[in-house]
This record gives sequence, structure tokens and C-alpha cells, in this order.
Amino acid sequence: AQKITQTQPGMFVQEKEAVTLDCTYDTSDPSYGLFWYKQPSSGEMIFLIYQGSYDQQNATEGRYSLNFQKARKSANLVISASQLGDSAMYFCAMRARGQNFVFGPGTRLSVLP
Amino acid sequence: GAVVSQHPSRVICKSGTSVKIECRSLDFQATTMFWYRQFPKQSLMLMATSNEGSKATYEQGVEKDKFLINHASLTLSTLTVTSAHPEDSSFYICSASGGGGEYNEQFFGPGTRLTVL
Repeated sequence: AQKITQTQPGMFVQEKEAVTLDCTYDTSDPSYGLFWYKQPSSGEMIFLIYQGSYDQQNATEGRYSLNFQKARKSANLVISASQLGDSAMYFCAMRARGQNFVFGPGTRLSVLP
Repeated sequence: GAVVSQHPSRVICKSGTSVKIECRSLDFQATTMFWYRQFPKQSLMLMATSNEGSKATYEQGVEKDKFLINHASLTLSTLTVTSAHPEDSSFYICSASGGGGEYNEQFFGPGTRLTVL
């Protein structure tokens, strides 16, 4: 069975600082994709970044980077230079080949001015 | 990224009535659409998966007669909550996948907040 764990229910970060949101996953499938989504208070799910299980390099998208440690089954999201608009819920998700998406419980990030 | 719309964004209805929520992929053909339910401060819970032209596959514990899903075309899926009750009040989110790529990234709609009085 697939499972995503996000151990930080809430995180605070000072504006302009970097923050790391933790995500660990469990799957027996060797082929899978890892995703991070942002959900602001409006409710929409915004895709941030993707990492494939066979990707050799960590994914980066602007201020977002994914610290992928395959042996430890972790896929932490790093947000650099936090902005007030980054305050939201963040969900880590996984999809193994042929399987449905599995979402973690989420982490609420609050950026302080 | 691809755009998925949902309508309505918010609906309030009386107990016992039925509510239809539409999910449309605006700029790509969605071979698969997903319906999620999200309770306050919780994660997304997959309700069902629908492929165009075939019956939806429901997750365990989701009543298919209560949550009717129709995926009549490659750009439209509908979720009908039949005989709604207050416990059906929730945030419903659809997503669409175009079938491309190995892991088929999902594009999410903006969600529909349902309140049943």
C-alpha cells in the first residue's frame, strides 16, 4: 500500500527566509512520481513541483526545490525567500504507475512579516 | 499548465434536494477525471475515478447511488449528490488527467463548496 506522511501539521517562517516542508512516502513500486501542491484559503490546488523516481537530479521550479532522497524515501519541499503569499496548506502526493494519487495530511505554512 | 474549471463554486441547498457539480477541462482532453472530497483541515479523499465513456470506479465506502458520476465527453464530468443531507456538506474538488506522461499529472479545478441546510 502507498502512504504519504507529513509530520509537520503547522510551520512558521519569517518572510524572506527559506523553509523546508517534510514528506516521507512508502511504496513497494519502483516506479512512481512525487508531487507537491499548494492550497491557499480559496481552496484551489496549485501544482508546484514534480519528481520522478528515476530522476537523477532534484527538481527545481523557481523558488521551489525538491530534496529527493530515494534511499530514505523522503521528498522534502524547500521554499526559498518566503513571501507572505506562500502562506497556505501544502500537500505532498505520490502516484505509482497505474495507481491513484495518494495525498499526505498536509502542512499549514504561515509566513510572518 | 492545463486549466480545469468547476461550476458552481459554491452552492447552498435544502436537505433532500440533488445538486450537480460540473468539471470541465478547458484546453486539453481529459481521459480520466477524479472526484475528491475534503473536510475542513483535512486532506483530499478520493471518491471516484471516471474514464470517458465508461462507468466510474468508486473508492471503498463511497455510495455510488448517492454520488452519481457521469463522464460523457473528454472535457466534461459531472458529480450529482442525490438527496443531499447536512453530512454531505463539504468541499468537492475535481481533477483531470490528459493521459500523457508516465505519471499523468493531475490538474485540479477550483473546487465547489457544498452546504446542505
